Amino acid sequence: GESVGLHLPTLSVQEGDNSIINCAYSNSASDYFIWYKQESGKGPQFIIDIRSNMDKRQGQRVTVLLNKTVKHLSLQIAATQPGDSAVYFCAENPVSGNTPLVFGKGTRLSVIA
Amino acid sequence: NAGVTQTPKFRVLKTGQSMTLLCAQDMNHEYMYWYRQDPGMGLRLIHYSVGEGTTAKGEVPDGYNVSRLKKQNFLLGLESAAPSQTSVYFCASSYLTVNTEAFFGQGTRLTVV
Repeated sequence: GESVGLHLPTLSVQEGDNSIINCAYSNSASDYFIWYKQESGKGPQFIIDIRSNMDKRQGQRVTVLLNKTVKHLSLQIAATQPGDSAVYFCAENPVSGNTPLVFGKGTRLSVIA
Repeated sequence: NAGVTQTPKFRVLKTGQSMTLLCAQDMNHEYMYWYRQDPGMGLRLIHYSVGEGTTAKGEVPDGYNVSRLKKQNFLLGLESAAPSQTSVYFCASSYLTVNTEAFFGQGTRLTVV
């Protein structure tokens, strides 16, 4: 696979445990946030999103929490599985016209079987 | 539907050579983007387009040119490749820029020697 993310923060989690991946975003005016998952050799894939008028959103085994006060976003993965091993990126959509998503640097999740 | 397709998937260039990366999407999206991904740097926006015939600079545009002659295609050109342009390049598209997810291609791994 590709060697992206060589120097990324890494989170190692035992299979079956819950994972929490954190992200600090930069723009207090951002009103839309996304978490992406990137497996080795593939492009980023959408996991879940949240708008700024919410502080929590749940999907299948994933929950995103938004704390606008401290500009913090987290992704919680329940009952982590080996297939969850990947690099996870948060992205924010600054509210300034047609401004594309701004991505964080990513966190590598390694699941220990 | 194929989604977002990038060609080629791999390429090795000599310093000073030129090449064009092609991105095609079949989702009728208005917005298209080119990102580069380097170890520890996350995804950085090179150029983007908000519609056919329009382009705009992103965070790291130097050394690259783009064209959006057809709505479904977004081309990224390197006129004179440099080793600093060794990277993995991702194309993405979205229906809107604000409050919508972007769909990514599989990436092009470019090495400049």
